[in-house]
Amino acid sequence: GDSVTQMEGPVTLSEEAFLTINCTYTATGYPSLFWYVQYPGEGLQLLLKATKADDKGSNKGFEATYRKETTSFHLEKGSVQVSDSAVYFCALTARQAGTALIFGKGTTLSVSS
Amino acid sequence: SAVISQKPSRDICQRGTSLTIQCQVDSQVTMMFWYRQQPGQSLTLIATANQGSEATYESGFVIDKFPISRPNLTFSTLTVSNMSPEDSSIYLCSVGLGQGGEQYFGPGTRLTVT
Repeated sequence: GDSVTQMEGPVTLSEEAFLTINCTYTATGYPSLFWYVQYPGEGLQLLLKATKADDKGSNKGFEATYRKETTSFHLEKGSVQVSDSAVYFCALTARQAGTALIFGKGTTLSVSS
Repeated sequence: SAVISQKPSRDICQRGTSLTIQCQVDSQVTMMFWYRQQPGQSLTLIATANQGSEATYESGFVIDKFPISRPNLTFSTLTVSNMSPEDSSIYLCSVGLGQGGEQYFGPGTRLTVT
């Protein structure tokens, strides 16, 4: 079945450091790919998405590119802030409306000043 | 996107009791989803809820334990029945919106069973 694998955490960085969180997927067909973020004590927020190969999703300085040839969707940010400390989840779904999301295990990011 | 609210936001319950979680959306949606997030873990889909039909449960989840109602296009409830400490989790509802398959989540209900 479809699955998502993302790098184990926690990831600990200093403010203004470069961030990469790796995510690879296994899926039949052509899924949509997402990054969700969960700040401490809060629910999940959609951070960015990409729905087809070579699409780049971006939001709040974060970017991820849908790479079909490597089945990857790595999350990057050029300069992290303390406020970026959260758990990040990579997820996929078939593009039909109403299809459930499949999540990776989540990566905890901790940024210190 | 959508504004999704859940009640209660958290609860502490006794073993053997039941809790009903409500999910309200500010717009009409065809499909709603219920997920469970166990402590320190990722999200697992419990069931998909369509208005006017029976919910569809994922492997490992049964209707007797997690009955779901979907009386209209803006509301759903999930009941956690005959609770045990293993049911201590965050329960989240979500709705599917947009053409890319993205879902938007409520704030979650943090359940602790003692």
